[in-house]
Amino acid sequence: GENVEQHPSTLSVQEGDSAVIKCTYSDSASNYFPWYKQELGKGPQLIIDIRSNVGEKKDQRIAVTLNKTAKHFSLHITETQPEDSAVYFCAAPVVTGGGNKLTFGTGTQLKVEL
Amino acid sequence: GAVVSQHPSRVICKSGTSVKIECRSLDFQATTMFWYRQFPKQSLMLMATSNEGSKATYEQGVEKDKFLINHASLTLSTLTVTSAHPEDSSFYICSAGTSALGEQFFGPGTRLTVL
Repeated sequence: GENVEQHPSTLSVQEGDSAVIKCTYSDSASNYFPWYKQELGKGPQLIIDIRSNVGEKKDQRIAVTLNKTAKHFSLHITETQPEDSAVYFCAAPVVTGGGNKLTFGTGTQLKVEL
Repeated sequence: GAVVSQHPSRVICKSGTSVKIECRSLDFQATTMFWYRQFPKQSLMLMATSNEGSKATYEQGVEKDKFLINHASLTLSTLTVTSAHPEDSSFYICSAGTSALGEQFFGPGTRLTVL
């Protein structure tokens, strides 16, 4: 099965700084890597995803990079704002017999301080 | 974007009662729906996967008779927690999948408190 590790578990940045969260996965056949943002008391919200045929994808202040050789992918948030404070989860698909299941990382609590 | 709703958002019940949670995909037909459980400050734990018209597939350690899942249509799945006990108190979240590439869109979650 797929094993996803996520670091750091907590991250504090000053408003306007950048934040980077990293994840590694174990199954080299994985081909889809989403990132979710979860605010307190709410369900996870898909904020960006990347497929294995590209190395980087950007959407305004958010970007995701993928290194298939090293089996790791990262979330980059630039010009952080207080509303970026939340828990972020990476995920990777269970490819073999997975039935479209996702394996989630352990989450990163991001705090953007004024 | 894809919108998934859940109802109720919060429920408090007495020990021994059953609680039903509904999950609906509002603007798309979901080939697969997933049910997760999340404890405070922890990641999402997959409980089961359901496909429309077929039996749900449960993860190891999840009791089928306690967590009943029905997926009656491509837009509706229900989770029934039977004979709920305080240890079942948790945040239950559903998601809906649209393709074979792994995309999942989550509902807002249901906070269950069993007294």
